[in-house]
Amino acid sequence: DAKTTQPNSMESNEEEPVHLPCNHSTISGTDYIHWYRQLPSQGPEYVIHGLTSNVNNRMASLAIAEDRKSSTLILHRATLRDAAVYYCILRDRSGGSNYKLTFGKGTLLTVNP
Amino acid sequence: DTEVTQTPKHLVMGMTNKKSLKCEQHMGHRAMYWYKQKAKKPPELMFVYSYEKLSINESVPSRFSPECPNSSLLNLHLHALQPEDSALYLCASSHPGTINEKLFFGSGTQLSVL
Repeated sequence: DAKTTQPNSMESNEEEPVHLPCNHSTISGTDYIHWYRQLPSQGPEYVIHGLTSNVNNRMASLAIAEDRKSSTLILHRATLRDAAVYYCILRDRSGGSNYKLTFGKGTLLTVNP
Repeated sequence: DTEVTQTPKHLVMGMTNKKSLKCEQHMGHRAMYWYKQKAKKPPELMFVYSYEKLSINESVPSRFSPECPNSSLLNLHLHALQPEDSALYLCASSHPGTINEKLFFGSGTQLSVL
């Protein structure tokens, strides 16, 4: 499986943008980049995904490097509710039509009021 | 309804007990997953069911026995567990078949084995 590398932790201030980096230098041409986050005492939740182009949704933006060896999850205005562990995941196809979601260590984001 | 419901939320069991964890979803998803998460660690995949058939078993010990009785329900039967099996057990569901289908997770069952 292609691996991802993320900083263990990051801090941000409320209402400021947050850029969460992810390195995936061994990414293959068919790997999609997915981001999930896990709020305290909850299961993970989907945030965003992309292949080559930058992507936006109501939660965040995903900026993907031209060589696809890195990506950045952007939270445009952090709130206290965004404090969570953020996981960058390369989606792996195996087992026929099933696709494993394999979590790395993730980045613990702390948001200061 | 975009919820995955897990019961119980907390479970304490002895090493000789038999217990079951339950997971339910009504989103019409035909893929369901069990993950195990130790404190301050990422979730680890245990099992995947697709169309009620077991498709992935990540070399999980036989003291964990999954069951998918229908497309909405997923159980995890526990027997003769060890204290090191204490963890948060997460259930998830998705539409199978495409690499970008989102997984929806429940809030988990916090299991303590004494």
